Amino acid sequence: SQQGEEDPQALSIQEGENATMNCSYKTSINNLQWYRQNSGRGLVHLILIRSNEREKHSGRLRVTLDTSKKSSSLLITASRAADTASYFCATSVMDSSYKLIFGSGTRLLVRP
Amino acid sequence: NAGVMQNPRHLVRRRGQEARLRCSPMKGHSHVYWYRQLPEEGLKFMVYLQKENIIDESGMPKERFSAEFPKEGPSILRIQQVVRGDSAAYFCASSPELRSLQPQHFGDGTRLSIL
Repeated sequence: SQQGEEDPQALSIQEGENATMNCSYKTSINNLQWYRQNSGRGLVHLILIRSNEREKHSGRLRVTLDTSKKSSSLLITASRAADTASYFCATSVMDSSYKLIFGSGTRLLVRP
Repeated sequence: NAGVMQNPRHLVRRRGQEARLRCSPMKGHSHVYWYRQLPEEGLKFMVYLQKENIIDESGMPKERFSAEFPKEGPSILRIQQVVRGDSAAYFCASSPELRSLQPQHFGDGTRLSIL
């Protein structure tokens, strides 16, 4: 079964609105990462949050991590049409930190 | 562009043929990872290699699939006697060293279609 599960599976918003995506996981982690994938392309690393961190910012991105609930959220503020993509969370677990375990992703559509 | 390079981008094979997927990691990266992605799904780990060594192949099917990362040249993922179920996007990623805080950098993938 998946380590990470994103919610919602699909999200459609208007340009300028905020987009929030959630990720839940099952086992203890070293860190959690968020990636973006444009259609037909590879994954682009967005942000990494360590297991001992609670919140991290990068530009218009804000990631939170709640290890007690085994969940994370990605907030994209002031969305743009160019943010349209699939977003995946990936966890790095304790005993095999090199192995990223991906969720099934959230497909974000930002309407101009 | 010094990113992870994968080729070919698209590969079509008939059932029973062999598929060879190539990955050149980013310059200075000695760790390579292969993942498989089915439509509308996330990536699934297949294998982790360092130069001339397979470190973890727990995600790779035991039969028909093999991977290598020779001292010289790209990493190769080889699928023998392909079947329809092998149709997927195969992604390669690389990192400079094994540290959990190092993000993996991904190539654009090879989309394998089996006729």
